[in-house]
Amino acid sequence: AQKVTQAQTEISVVEKEDVTLDCVYETRDTTYYLFWYKQPPSGELVFLIRRNSFDEQNEISGRYSWNFQKSTSSFNFTITASQVVDSAVYFCALRLNTGNQFYFGTGTSLTVIP
Amino acid sequence: NAGVMQNPRHLVRRRGQEARLRCSPMKGHSHVYWYRQLPEEGLKFMVYLQKENIIDESGMPKERFSAEFPKEGPSILRIQQVVRGDSAAYFCASSPQGFYTDTQYFGPGTRLTVL
Repeated sequence: AQKVTQAQTEISVVEKEDVTLDCVYETRDTTYYLFWYKQPPSGELVFLIRRNSFDEQNEISGRYSWNFQKSTSSFNFTITASQVVDSAVYFCALRLNTGNQFYFGTGTSLTVIP
Repeated sequence: NAGVMQNPRHLVRRRGQEARLRCSPMKGHSHVYWYRQLPEEGLKFMVYLQKENIIDESGMPKERFSAEFPKEGPSILRIQQVVRGDSAAYFCASSPQGFYTDTQYFGPGTRLTVL
């Protein structure tokens, strides 16, 4: 069975602090895809990144970076120099090489305090 | 280039009524997915459709729920005889080809409240 765990339910940081959102996944498949989505207060889901299981290179996009560690089945997301606009719920998701659905974690609610 | 569109954004129904949720995929996308988000939970897959076909409905409740994606027009998620437990946010996503590598792009969701 597939499972995505986001153990941090809520995080609060002060603006300009760095923050890391944890994501641990479970699957027996060797080929899979990992995603992060952002859900701001307006409610829509915004795609942030996709990473396949064969590519363990870390990725950086502006203030966002992702650390994929296959050995620990983790795909953590770090925001550096956080801003108030980063306040949102962040979801980690897993998609297998077969099948059609995404498996979502329960989300981490991030509040950035000015 | 419009994204995935869903309407209505908010829907209020009384117990026993029917709810119809609409989803127009991104231009060029022919694969549609529906997810349900219960309060303080992650999204749960419901159904995957291509034009005129249901491909995977393994996440759909067996009763009262149905989905379609006609040749013309939006995809419809239909909930008959709604109950309070149906109150949730329903998200639609689309992808261009439905392959496993595809990223799914989500709409803004429809928030259903059952009184």
